[in-house]
Amino acid sequence: DGGITQSPKYLFRKEGQNVTLSCEQNLNHDAMYWYRQDPGQGLRLIYYSQIVNDFQKGDIAEGYSVSREKKESFPLTVTSAQKNPTAFYLCASSVLKDRGWYYGYTFGSGTRLTVV
Amino acid sequence: GDSVTQMEGPVTLSEEAFLTINCTYTATGYPSLFWYVQYPGEGLQLLLKATKADDKGSNKGFEATYRKETTSFHLEKGSVQVSDSAVYFCALSDQRTGNQFYFGTGTSLTVIP
Repeated sequence: DGGITQSPKYLFRKEGQNVTLSCEQNLNHDAMYWYRQDPGQGLRLIYYSQIVNDFQKGDIAEGYSVSREKKESFPLTVTSAQKNPTAFYLCASSVLKDRGWYYGYTFGSGTRLTVV
Repeated sequence: GDSVTQMEGPVTLSEEAFLTINCTYTATGYPSLFWYVQYPGEGLQLLLKATKADDKGSNKGFEATYRKETTSFHLEKGSVQVSDSAVYFCALSDQRTGNQFYFGTGTSLTVIP
């Protein structure tokens, strides 16, 4: 079955370290997205990419970086510049062409990042 | 710009009670509307959707009707179960804005036996 795989499920980061969260999809979706979710809060968009080798900042991009070297993969790096990285991170993907708007987003199961 | 406003939670109901979670939207075009559900520690799953005015989305006993005149997409279920305890997100997607999704802040539902 097609879907989105996020790994790891749990990640611990020491102060000052960079960490990378993996997101892979086999849905042949064009666009991929990273969201941050804090306890009791909604989703905030970090970065998104609509095509390979191109990506755009979302609402809270500071302290994060991404790459899109392959259509299937959209890793997120949480850098040491992100002062409060403890959160639940969600990756999503969608079709852009044709009636992509009809189908909505498909989400991964998330990565919980904790600073120790 | 486009936006979604959801009723604030948390909502606590007894099993078999009737559920309504309000959602209203603002959009310049003709958006598609969605309800997503998030179970504890998991990602979001699509629950139901409606793509044009007066459409009714339904799934697992949940329903929502796209009301253009009131710009609303309220989620309802006639008889909730303990297994429905989750966070529910209303969202819209407008093809005129490149399929960008706009999410509500989520409503937490707890169903007690």
